[in-house]
Amino acid sequence: DQQVKQNSPSLSVQEGRISILNCDYTNSMFDYFLWYKKYPAEGPTFLISISSIKDKNEDGRFTVFLNKSAKHLSLHIVPSQPGDSAVYFCAASVGAQKLVFGQGTRLTINP
Amino acid sequence: DTEVTQTPKHLVMGMTNKKSLKCEQHMGHRAMYWYKQKAKKPPELMFVYSYEKLSINESVPSRFSPECPNSSLLNLHLHALQPEDSALYLCASSRGRDRDEQYFGPGTRLTVT
Repeated sequence: DQQVKQNSPSLSVQEGRISILNCDYTNSMFDYFLWYKKYPAEGPTFLISISSIKDKNEDGRFTVFLNKSAKHLSLHIVPSQPGDSAVYFCAASVGAQKLVFGQGTRLTINP
Repeated sequence: DTEVTQTPKHLVMGMTNKKSLKCEQHMGHRAMYWYKQKAKKPPELMFVYSYEKLSINESVPSRFSPECPNSSLLNLHLHALQPEDSALYLCASSRGRDRDEQYFGPGTRLTVT
Protein backbone atom coordinates (compact mmCIF):
# COMPACT_ATOMS: atom_id res chain seq x y z
CA ASP A 1 0.00 0.00 0.00
CA GLN A 2 1.72 3.12 -1.25
CA GLN A 3 0.76 5.95 1.08
CA VAL A 4 2.70 8.65 -0.80
CA LYS A 5 2.58 8.70 -4.58
CA GLN A 6 4.40 10.69 -7.21
CA ASN A 7 2.65 9.70 -10.41
CA SER A 8 5.08 11.37 -12.81
CA PRO A 9 8.36 9.43 -13.02
CA SER A 10 9.92 12.23 -15.07
CA LEU A 11 9.42 15.86 -16.03
CA SER A 12 11.25 18.01 -18.57
CA VAL A 13 11.16 21.82 -18.31
CA GLN A 14 12.79 24.67 -20.20
CA GLU A 15 15.34 26.73 -18.28
CA GLY A 16 13.72 29.86 -16.83
CA ARG A 17 10.21 28.39 -16.81
CA ILE A 18 8.26 27.03 -13.86
CA SER A 19 8.68 23.41 -12.74
CA ILE A 20 5.70 21.88 -10.93
CA LEU A 21 6.14 18.55 -9.18
CA ASN A 22 3.13 16.80 -7.73
CA CYS A 23 2.55 14.39 -4.87
CA ASP A 24 -0.58 12.66 -3.54
CA TYR A 25 -1.06 10.91 -0.23
CA THR A 26 -3.68 8.61 1.22
CA ASN A 27 -3.11 8.75 4.99
CA SER A 28 -5.11 11.62 6.47
CA MET A 29 -3.04 11.38 9.66
CA PHE A 30 0.04 12.79 7.93
CA ASP A 31 0.71 16.23 9.41
CA TYR A 32 4.12 17.17 8.05
CA PHE A 33 5.34 17.11 4.47
CA LEU A 34 8.79 17.60 3.00
CA TRP A 35 10.51 17.78 -0.37
CA TYR A 36 14.00 16.40 -0.93
CA LYS A 37 16.29 16.63 -3.93
CA LYS A 38 18.71 13.85 -4.80
CA TYR A 39 21.69 13.79 -7.14
CA PRO A 40 23.21 10.45 -8.19
CA ALA A 41 25.59 8.93 -5.62
CA GLU A 42 24.53 11.46 -2.96
CA GLY A 43 22.07 11.40 -0.10
CA PRO A 44 18.78 13.32 -0.33
CA THR A 45 19.07 17.05 0.39
CA PHE A 46 16.27 18.75 2.29
CA LEU A 47 14.57 21.51 0.28
CA ILE A 48 11.41 22.73 1.96
CA SER A 49 8.68 21.52 4.30
CA ILE A 50 5.13 22.37 5.25
CA SER A 51 3.00 21.63 8.27
CA SER A 52 -0.61 20.55 7.83
CA ILE A 53 -1.80 23.74 9.52
CA LYS A 54 -0.54 25.75 6.53
CA ASP A 55 -1.42 25.67 2.85
CA LYS A 56 1.69 27.37 1.47
CA ASN A 57 5.34 27.75 2.35
CA GLU A 58 7.90 29.68 0.35
CA ASP A 59 11.70 29.70 0.36
CA GLY A 60 13.40 31.60 -2.41
CA ARG A 61 12.65 29.93 -5.74
CA PHE A 62 10.82 27.05 -4.04
CA THR A 63 7.18 27.09 -2.96
CA VAL A 64 5.22 24.15 -1.58
CA PHE A 65 1.42 24.11 -1.70
CA LEU A 66 -0.73 21.78 0.39
CA ASN A 67 -4.36 20.93 -0.40
CA LYS A 68 -5.54 18.83 2.53
CA SER A 69 -9.02 18.17 1.17
CA ALA A 70 -7.50 16.71 -2.01
CA LYS A 71 -4.60 15.09 -0.13
CA HIS A 72 -2.27 16.71 -2.62
CA LEU A 73 0.90 18.74 -2.43
CA SER A 74 3.01 20.34 -5.08
CA LEU A 75 6.45 21.91 -5.35
CA HIS A 76 6.90 24.91 -7.61
CA ILE A 77 10.37 25.94 -8.73
CA VAL A 78 10.61 29.28 -10.49
CA PRO A 79 12.66 30.13 -12.41
CA SER A 80 14.04 26.66 -13.15
CA GLN A 81 17.81 26.41 -13.49
CA PRO A 82 20.05 23.66 -14.95
CA GLY A 83 21.33 22.83 -11.45
CA ASP A 84 17.78 21.88 -10.49
CA SER A 85 18.05 18.73 -12.61
CA ALA A 86 17.79 15.88 -10.08
CA VAL A 87 15.34 13.38 -8.63
CA TYR A 88 12.79 14.99 -6.31
CA PHE A 89 11.14 13.00 -3.52
CA CYS A 90 8.17 14.11 -1.50
CA ALA A 91 7.86 12.66 1.99
CA ALA A 92 5.22 12.69 4.68
CA SER A 93 5.07 11.86 8.36
CA VAL A 94 2.84 11.70 11.40
CA GLY A 95 4.81 13.75 13.92
CA ALA A 96 8.37 13.74 12.67
CA GLN A 97 10.39 10.60 12.87
CA LYS A 98 8.85 8.10 10.49
CA LEU A 99 9.12 9.58 6.99
CA VAL A 100 7.31 7.85 4.14
CA PHE A 101 8.72 8.73 0.73
CA GLY A 102 7.13 8.83 -2.69
CA GLN A 103 8.73 7.07 -5.65
CA GLY A 104 10.46 10.21 -6.92
CA THR A 105 10.23 12.37 -10.04
CA ARG A 106 13.26 12.93 -12.25
CA LEU A 107 13.35 16.60 -13.24
CA THR A 108 15.40 17.64 -16.27
CA ILE A 109 15.95 21.32 -17.01
CA ASN A 110 16.75 21.94 -20.64
CA PRO A 111 18.86 24.96 -21.67
CA ASP B 1 27.27 22.75 9.55
CA THR B 2 24.53 20.47 8.23
CA GLU B 3 26.80 17.55 7.43
CA VAL B 4 26.21 13.90 8.12
CA THR B 5 29.19 11.73 7.26
CA GLN B 6 29.16 8.03 6.45
CA THR B 7 31.95 5.50 6.08
CA PRO B 8 32.80 3.61 4.02
CA LYS B 9 31.45 4.99 0.74
CA HIS B 10 31.49 1.55 -0.84
CA LEU B 11 31.57 -1.92 0.72
CA VAL B 12 31.70 -5.35 -0.87
CA MET B 13 31.20 -8.28 1.47
CA GLY B 14 30.58 -11.99 1.28
CA MET B 15 27.59 -13.65 2.85
CA THR B 16 29.67 -14.99 5.76
CA ASN B 17 31.42 -11.71 6.56
CA LYS B 18 30.80 -9.34 9.46
CA LYS B 19 31.14 -5.64 8.71
CA SER B 20 29.93 -2.32 10.12
CA LEU B 21 28.67 0.91 8.61
CA LYS B 22 29.38 4.14 10.47
CA CYS B 23 27.57 7.45 10.61
CA GLU B 24 28.50 10.65 12.41
CA GLN B 25 26.92 14.08 12.89
CA HIS B 26 28.05 17.11 14.88
CA MET B 27 24.90 19.20 14.67
CA GLY B 28 23.75 18.35 18.18
CA HIS B 29 20.89 16.31 16.76
CA ARG B 30 19.24 13.85 19.13
CA ALA B 31 17.57 11.54 16.60
CA MET B 32 19.41 9.36 14.10
CA TYR B 33 18.08 7.07 11.39
CA TRP B 34 19.06 4.23 9.07
CA TYR B 35 17.37 3.93 5.69
CA LYS B 36 17.80 1.42 2.89
CA GLN B 37 17.40 2.48 -0.74
CA LYS B 38 17.26 0.04 -3.64
CA ALA B 39 17.81 1.20 -7.22
CA LYS B 40 15.01 3.39 -8.60
CA LYS B 41 13.08 3.10 -5.30
CA PRO B 42 12.52 5.59 -2.47
CA PRO B 43 14.42 5.34 0.82
CA GLU B 44 12.78 2.96 3.31
CA LEU B 45 13.14 3.48 7.04
CA MET B 46 14.92 0.72 8.98
CA PHE B 47 15.69 2.08 12.46
CA VAL B 48 15.29 5.24 14.53
CA TYR B 49 17.30 6.18 17.60
CA SER B 50 15.92 8.96 19.74
CA TYR B 51 18.10 10.29 22.57
CA GLU B 52 20.37 7.25 22.07
CA LYS B 53 17.55 4.76 22.56
CA LEU B 54 16.10 2.59 19.81
CA SER B 55 12.59 3.95 19.26
CA ILE B 56 11.59 2.41 15.91
CA ASN B 57 12.58 -0.92 14.32
CA GLU B 58 10.67 -1.45 11.08
CA SER B 59 10.72 -5.26 11.41
CA VAL B 60 14.26 -5.41 10.06
CA PRO B 61 15.89 -8.91 9.98
CA SER B 62 18.29 -9.57 12.84
CA ARG B 63 21.25 -9.82 10.44
CA PHE B 64 21.14 -5.99 10.67
CA SER B 65 22.05 -4.77 14.16
CA PRO B 66 22.05 -1.03 14.93
CA GLU B 67 24.05 0.61 17.69
CA CYS B 68 24.15 4.18 18.97
CA PRO B 69 27.28 4.56 21.15
CA ASN B 70 26.59 8.28 21.78
CA SER B 71 24.44 11.09 20.43
CA SER B 72 26.84 11.80 17.54
CA LEU B 73 27.50 8.28 16.31
CA LEU B 74 25.38 5.58 14.75
CA ASN B 75 26.58 2.17 13.58
CA LEU B 76 24.93 -0.58 11.59
CA HIS B 77 26.48 -4.01 12.16
CA LEU B 78 26.04 -6.49 9.32
CA HIS B 79 26.31 -10.27 9.56
CA ALA B 80 25.31 -13.13 7.27
CA LEU B 81 23.74 -10.84 4.70
CA GLN B 82 22.04 -12.01 1.52
CA PRO B 83 22.65 -10.73 -2.03
CA GLU B 84 19.22 -9.04 -1.95
CA ASP B 85 20.53 -6.84 0.89
CA SER B 86 22.71 -5.04 -1.65
CA ALA B 87 21.56 -1.41 -1.62
CA LEU B 88 22.47 2.15 -0.70
CA TYR B 89 22.34 2.55 3.09
CA LEU B 90 21.57 6.08 4.18
CA CYS B 91 22.01 7.62 7.59
CA ALA B 92 20.08 10.72 8.64
CA SER B 93 19.75 12.88 11.71
CA SER B 94 17.30 15.45 13.07
CA ARG B 95 16.81 17.56 16.19
CA GLY B 96 14.35 14.97 17.44
CA ARG B 97 11.39 17.30 17.77
CA ASP B 98 8.04 16.94 16.09
CA ARG B 99 7.80 18.27 12.51
CA ASP B 100 11.53 18.48 11.97
CA GLU B 101 13.51 17.90 8.80
CA GLN B 102 15.99 15.06 8.54
CA TYR B 103 19.47 15.62 7.11
CA PHE B 104 20.96 12.76 5.14
CA GLY B 105 24.49 11.53 4.66
CA PRO B 106 25.85 10.49 1.24
CA GLY B 107 25.23 6.81 1.91
CA THR B 108 27.23 3.59 1.79
CA ARG B 109 26.85 1.52 -1.37
CA LEU B 110 26.79 -2.10 -0.15
CA THR B 111 27.24 -5.08 -2.44
CA VAL B 112 26.79 -8.59 -1.01
CA THR B 113 28.39 -11.34 -3.08
